[in-house]
Amino acid sequence: DAGVIQSPRHEVTEMGQEVTLRCKPISGHDYLFWYRQTMMRGLELLIYFNNNVPIDDSGMPEDRFSAKMPNASFSTLKIQPSEPRDSAVYFCASSLRSNSPLHFGNGTRLTVT
Amino acid sequence: GIQVEQSPPDLILQEGANSTLRCNFSDSVNNLQWFHQNPWGQLINLFYIPSGTKQNGRLSATTVATERYSLLYISSSQTTDSGVYFCAVEGDSNYQLIWGAGTKLIIKP
Repeated sequence: DAGVIQSPRHEVTEMGQEVTLRCKPISGHDYLFWYRQTMMRGLELLIYFNNNVPIDDSGMPEDRFSAKMPNASFSTLKIQPSEPRDSAVYFCASSLRSNSPLHFGNGTRLTVT
Repeated sequence: GIQVEQSPPDLILQEGANSTLRCNFSDSVNNLQWFHQNPWGQLINLFYIPSGTKQNGRLSATTVATERYSLLYISSSQTTDSGVYFCAVEGDSNYQLIWGAGTKLIIKP
């Protein structure tokens, strides 16, 4: 399997612009997670889906962030409008079911100037 | 909530040395996972180990759930082992992993 695939690998944008991050989970995995990693706060869970349904979005920082999973093989994380404090590495991860190993994509490094 | 503590925070070793990384957690857990974040930022799942012992090549892990700790052993370290090792646990609530702060390992050639 190709693993979890994220795009783009790097994104540089100006404050106020819309940013869309994309993720393809491992085929057959029922759970998909979006994480954010910064030096200050470490790894933070933003939102997770089970069978394409958002289960817990309590980690989404504010209304500027939204996530969708229109089908089992694709998810997006959107930031609109972006702000410099959103600069971080955003990871997508998937697992076969609850209580099973979590597999991460290579991440998207977002820089908002 | 559950607290996860990893030790040591930093470790510098020569190539070929062995090391033991520790993860303590404050309450019973449903699962425990070890991850390696390499210098390029990739997060690799090493072990899913809620209890017992597992081995994968030069790496092995042991979790003693009743005593609330897990150990990650790295034998014959190589420079490619450098990076940050994270322990993450899931408690009884909804599926959310609680992450330790990590152990930063540097292997010198």
